[in-house]
Amino acid sequence: GAVVSQHPSRVICKSGTSVKIECRSLDFQATTMFWYRQFPKQSLMLMATSNEGSKATYEQGVEKDKFLINHASLTLSTLTVTSAHPEDSSFYICSAIIAGELFFGEGSRLTVL
Amino acid sequence: QKEVEQDPGPLSVPEGAIVSLNCTYSNSAFQYFMWYRQYSRKGPELLMYTYSSGNKEDGRFTAQVDKSSKYISLFIRDSQPSDSATYLCAMSARAPTGGGNKLTFGTGTQLKVEL
Repeated sequence: GAVVSQHPSRVICKSGTSVKIECRSLDFQATTMFWYRQFPKQSLMLMATSNEGSKATYEQGVEKDKFLINHASLTLSTLTVTSAHPEDSSFYICSAIIAGELFFGEGSRLTVL
Repeated sequence: QKEVEQDPGPLSVPEGAIVSLNCTYSNSAFQYFMWYRQYSRKGPELLMYTYSSGNKEDGRFTAQVDKSSKYISLFIRDSQPSDSATYLCAMSARAPTGGGNKLTFGTGTQLKVEL
């Protein structure tokens, strides 16, 4: 079964609204989670590293005020896309380090109309 | 120049064929190399993980690393229709499970194994 779960798997929203995506490590604690974005036919691009109890570390070019990351517990990290625009439409994937291994979630497809 | 180059394909082969997937990289700091399989609309799953140059075999899959040429390969023997997916190479300078590290991915090669 899945070790890392993402929700929702698919979301459609209107331009200007905010969307929250959850990443959960099932039955295991994950002190570090990563958020990636994948555009069609492109590679996964790391957006930020999320550490439980501290501020996320964002990659260069990623707006931290637009992509809010919260890692409030050892099993949950959330990514909120604020004031979403059509260019934010993408596949968002989280991953977590659990027991020394890296596991990926199933991904969340965001479509902004 | 991208740090990691990977032919996006698509690559179509008949069932039973040997598949060769490749990536080249420019950053000599990369020491850890991984291959992931990603089915459509799903997250990547780890297939192979190698550190040193040479070959590593796991069932029908063989990963090959040539650090001198900055070239890595994944071979799939006796390919099956269920192998149809996108295969992404990934690499990092430090152990990928280290909290402060990040993976650099190739664009992925789309593979289709036909009956």
